[in-house]
Amino acid sequence: QKEVEQNSGPLSVPEGAIASLNCTYSDRGSQSFFWYRQYSGKSPELIMFIYSNGDKEDGRFTAQLNKASQYVSLLIRDSQPSDSATYLCAVNPSASGTYKYIFGTGTRLKVLA
Amino acid sequence: EAGVTQFPSHSVIEKGQTVTLRCDPISGHDNLYWYRRVMGKEIKFLLHFVKESKQDESGMPNNRFLAERTGGTYSTLKVQPAELEDSGVYFCASSQNLQGKAQYFGPGTRLLVL
Repeated sequence: QKEVEQNSGPLSVPEGAIASLNCTYSDRGSQSFFWYRQYSGKSPELIMFIYSNGDKEDGRFTAQLNKASQYVSLLIRDSQPSDSATYLCAVNPSASGTYKYIFGTGTRLKVLA
Repeated sequence: EAGVTQFPSHSVIEKGQTVTLRCDPISGHDNLYWYRRVMGKEIKFLLHFVKESKQDESGMPNNRFLAERTGGTYSTLKVQPAELEDSGVYFCASSQNLQGKAQYFGPGTRLLVL
């Protein structure tokens, strides 16, 4: 079992729809969760981070965390063609003093105009 | 504020040669990280500096890889001698000094070993 799992996609949604991206993780004690967007050939760009159970909203983006079920998701409302990219889920493991991220393989999102 | 910068953007070398990658973190970030993505795989952690000290080098693949951060500013990652399987994109990231803080990534160095 991978430490952080994402469906590789592609996930295709029409323009204006809600895109839902999911991520599960194996380390039950993980505390910090991050979503990055990566355009082809570019650096990962931080979109959202979440530390507590529940929802966190920022503009068109909502991160959802459920520690009991060990999943974190990213919702993109009113999807635009410019949102087409690979979305990476990253988790900071629970080990004390460990700052590293464990990444999923990413989900490729295609927003169709 | 300038972001994380990396040099070179691309490098093509032959097996057995040496390559040195450079990373300049965001000013004021004590934490600096190296990650690598090989084709078709996830981004994987290599090591973590706090200022000039190696905090965690559990992801370094073998002793052909040497990372330094003299003076606690920029960092270099040297691969010597390079092997075919070292090809990939090497990312550098930096963060403020608290566990769980967001890491900001540079554009990466694309390394191809022939």
